[in-house]
Amino acid sequence: NAGVTQTPKFQVLKTGQSMTLQCAQDMNHEYMSWYRQDPGMGLRLIHYSVGAGITDQGEVPNGYNVSRSTTEDFPLRLLSAAPSQTSVYFCASSYSETQYFGPGTRLLVL
Amino acid sequence: GQQLNQSPQSMFIQEGEDVSMNCTSSSIFNTWLWYKQDPGEGPVLLIALYKAGELTSNGRLTAQFGITRKDSFLNISASIPSDVGIYFCAGQLFTGNQFYFGTGTSLTVIP
Repeated sequence: NAGVTQTPKFQVLKTGQSMTLQCAQDMNHEYMSWYRQDPGMGLRLIHYSVGAGITDQGEVPNGYNVSRSTTEDFPLRLLSAAPSQTSVYFCASSYSETQYFGPGTRLLVL
Repeated sequence: GQQLNQSPQSMFIQEGEDVSMNCTSSSIFNTWLWYKQDPGEGPVLLIALYKAGELTSNGRLTAQFGITRKDSFLNISASIPSDVGIYFCAGQLFTGNQFYFGTGTSLTVIP
């Protein structure tokens, strides 16, 4: 099993550009989520999904969209990147309380 | 969102010393979790706690679910250099599926 994979590992964007952060898991987990990690603020939940076709907002959803067409994939879209979205993004999947995190995507918005 | 207060923010200790950190919340949680994050990696689950008062160990790590359900503690005994990293607490409410994370404790072990 590959676990949770994320691509790309690093990305530099200009303000206003759009992009999609990819996340995939091969553990057949129903629950998947996206977090952003900023210095001194821990991990904050952006969006989550309890199964294919179902998504919901977390603590900091503004500026981000998600969809869940399959159990395996949960992409995060930035429609118009802003410098405030410079962060490290983690995708996670879970069965019950145990969350498995991907390696992260480091995003810089100029 | 839920506020989890984690302390201390950072620790610098000598190899072999014991470490204690804690996490408190204004809300009652159903589940408490402790994660470790190595540099450049995602967090990895260390210990999960499900019942008030529960004390669970994982090797040199011991964590407790507070009686009030509003706090949790993590202890590391006889620290070694590979314990270096950021430790996060996380909690899950009785309602909903969301996990809420603390701000992290950065641990440095001096050989």
